[in-house]
Amino acid sequence: EAQVTQNPRYLITVTGKKLTVTCSQNMNHEYMSWYRQDPGLGLRQIYYSMNVEVTDKGDVPEGYKVSRKEKRNFPLILESPSPNQTSLYFCASSFKGQKNEQYFGPGTRLTVT
Amino acid sequence: DAKTTQPNSMESNEEEPVHLPCNHSTISGTDYIHWYRQLPSQGPEYVIHGLTSNVNNRMASLAIAEDRKSSTLILHRATLRDAAVYYCILRDALTGYALNFGKGTSLLVTP
Repeated sequence: EAQVTQNPRYLITVTGKKLTVTCSQNMNHEYMSWYRQDPGLGLRQIYYSMNVEVTDKGDVPEGYKVSRKEKRNFPLILESPSPNQTSLYFCASSFKGQKNEQYFGPGTRLTVT
Repeated sequence: DAKTTQPNSMESNEEEPVHLPCNHSTISGTDYIHWYRQLPSQGPEYVIHGLTSNVNNRMASLAIAEDRKSSTLILHRATLRDAAVYYCILRDALTGYALNFGKGTSLLVTP
């Protein structure tokens, strides 16, 4: 089944403790992206990757890192999480091109205390 | 980026057709019109997209105005499962990867 998976689905952590949210897709997509969703602010893009070893900042990259060592994986790294990074995170992937649909993961709800 | 305007919310009866409008008066000639929806507690889901002509797929139809300044997503028979937030998004040829979701239209379907 074609899908985007994220782990963990839920995470409660403390300020400053490094964490990684994994994202994996099985559709051989070149493009992958991370979004965060906050009440009243909607979905905003954090980082994206056009292909292996190619990443770039989205609208709200501060406090996040990403890597793309393999085509199927695109982990989101929070080196020193802060409470303002409490949010719902979605990973997405697609083939290149503005016509192509993006597939989204089920989301990771992160709480930083 | 060209912007879209959608009603904040709409309500429909189950098994009735639903027409969700979207205005995009500043659309450029190369912008594709995409629709996504987000069901409660789930990630966004692709619905349909088009450029100039009307489009149909198994989920919905997309009617695009002749001047392309507006479009309408049509759900032919709403079910309770169609209750979601629907987003109308423009994607251009150069920077079309990021999806600018905006606030969308929250669709309520009543039995």
